[in-house]
Amino acid sequence: DTGVSQNPRHKITKRGQNVTFRCDPISEHNRLYWYRQTLGQGPEFLTYFQNEAQLEKSRLLSDRFSAERPKGSFSTLEIQRTEQGDSAMYLCASSPLRMNTEAFFGQGTRLTVV
Amino acid sequence: AQKITQTQPGMFVQEKEAVTLDCTYDTSDQSYGLFWYKQPSSGEMIFLIYQGSYDEQNATEGRYSLNFQKARKSANLVISASQLGDSAMYFCAMRERNAGNMLTFGGGTRLMVKP
Repeated sequence: DTGVSQNPRHKITKRGQNVTFRCDPISEHNRLYWYRQTLGQGPEFLTYFQNEAQLEKSRLLSDRFSAERPKGSFSTLEIQRTEQGDSAMYLCASSPLRMNTEAFFGQGTRLTVV
Repeated sequence: AQKITQTQPGMFVQEKEAVTLDCTYDTSDQSYGLFWYKQPSSGEMIFLIYQGSYDEQNATEGRYSLNFQKARKSANLVISASQLGDSAMYFCAMRERNAGNMLTFGGGTRLMVKP
C-alpha cells in the first residue's frame, strides 16, 4: 500500500495525558498537512510542512500542540495535556509541490479524551 | 469572511437522477485551485475533481463535473446518474498560491441517495 498511512487509527486517553500521532506520507510528496475534523464539520487546517520546514501554523495550533517532520519524511503531531475539546479526527495529507494536484489523505486518527 | 461556503447542509436525490452541490469561494488570489472531496461514513477523504483558476473549460471526471463560474466565484459539483454508493459527505476546498498552498475546506454537504 503506497497511500498515506496514519497510526494509530484510534486513541483513547485520559484528560491531561500527552498523545503522539504519526503520519507516513506518500514517499515522493514534498508537502504534508495536518487537519482536525470534528463531527459534522469540514477539516480545519492545523499545520503544513514543505519537506522538513514547517511553513504554516494555524491559530488553532495552541502551545500544547507541536508537529515535526524530521528529514522531510514522516511527521508526528503531539498534543500535551489533552483536554476534552481535543477529541476529534486528526487527518494527515500529502501532495507533490505542483499547484494543480490534489492532496491525498490518510484514514485519520480518531482521538477521544475522557 | 468564510473562504469556502457550502450552503446545503443536506441533500436528497433519487437514484439515477443528477444532483448539484453548491460551493462558493472567496479569494483575492489570481492563482488558485478548487477541489471536491467525498467522505463516506468510513471516514476517508476521496478526491473527486479539480478545477484550476486559469482553466477555461469545466473539469469532468466520469460522472462528476464541476460547473465553474469564475465571475460568480462558484464551483458547483454536478453528479450525474446518482448511485446509492454516492451517499456521503461532500467537501469543497480551495488552495491559494499566496496563502501557503494549504487546502481550506467548506463545511460540507451530506448527500443521501434514495432508492
